[in-house]
Amino acid sequence: DAGVIQSPRHEVTEMGQEVTLRCKPISGHNSLFWYRQTMMRGLELLIYFNNNVPIDDSGMPEDRFSAKMPNASFSTLKIQPSEPRDSAVYFCASSPSRLAGDEQYFGPGTRLTVT
Amino acid sequence: GENVEQHPSTLSVQEGDSAVIKCTYSDSASNYFPWYKQELGKGPQLIIDIRSNVGEKKDQRIAVTLNKTAKHFSLHITETQPEDSAVYFCAARAGRRALTFGSGTRLQVQP
Repeated sequence: DAGVIQSPRHEVTEMGQEVTLRCKPISGHNSLFWYRQTMMRGLELLIYFNNNVPIDDSGMPEDRFSAKMPNASFSTLKIQPSEPRDSAVYFCASSPSRLAGDEQYFGPGTRLTVT
Repeated sequence: GENVEQHPSTLSVQEGDSAVIKCTYSDSASNYFPWYKQELGKGPQLIIDIRSNVGEKKDQRIAVTLNKTAKHFSLHITETQPEDSAVYFCAARAGRRALTFGSGTRLQVQP
């Protein structure tokens, strides 16, 4: 299996622009997670889906962030408009379990820089 | 909610020595404790986990111990090798909630 696939791997954009991050989970996994990693705040859970349905989005920082999972093999995280403080590494992870806290498999991440 | 504290933040050991990383958690209902290893430029990778009905688990050179009474758990790496150099994260889960991660430990194994 190719593992969790994320694209792009690096994104540099200007403040105010829309950014879309993409994720393909491991085939057969029931749950998908979006995390943000920064030096200051560490690894933060933004949102997670179970069977394509958003279960907990309490970690989404504000209305500028939105996430969708239109089918079992694809998810997007969108930031509109982007701000410099959104600069971070964004990880997608998937899990074969319906429980949010069970074993998770992380993708390689997207490094976002907003100037 | 759950709060996980991890120590130390950095750890340097000589190749062949042992390394120990410790975490404490706040929610006594937590029942699942994984450890992740993150190499530079990569996503975290699950290396070992333990559930609350077990006190210790080993996998070759790595082991995890859990003390439910004290609410702490530890990662032990024996016979460290340069390829063990990475950032290690502990995490805890209570019930059906999502994982709460510690702040990470940067382990450097000196050849």
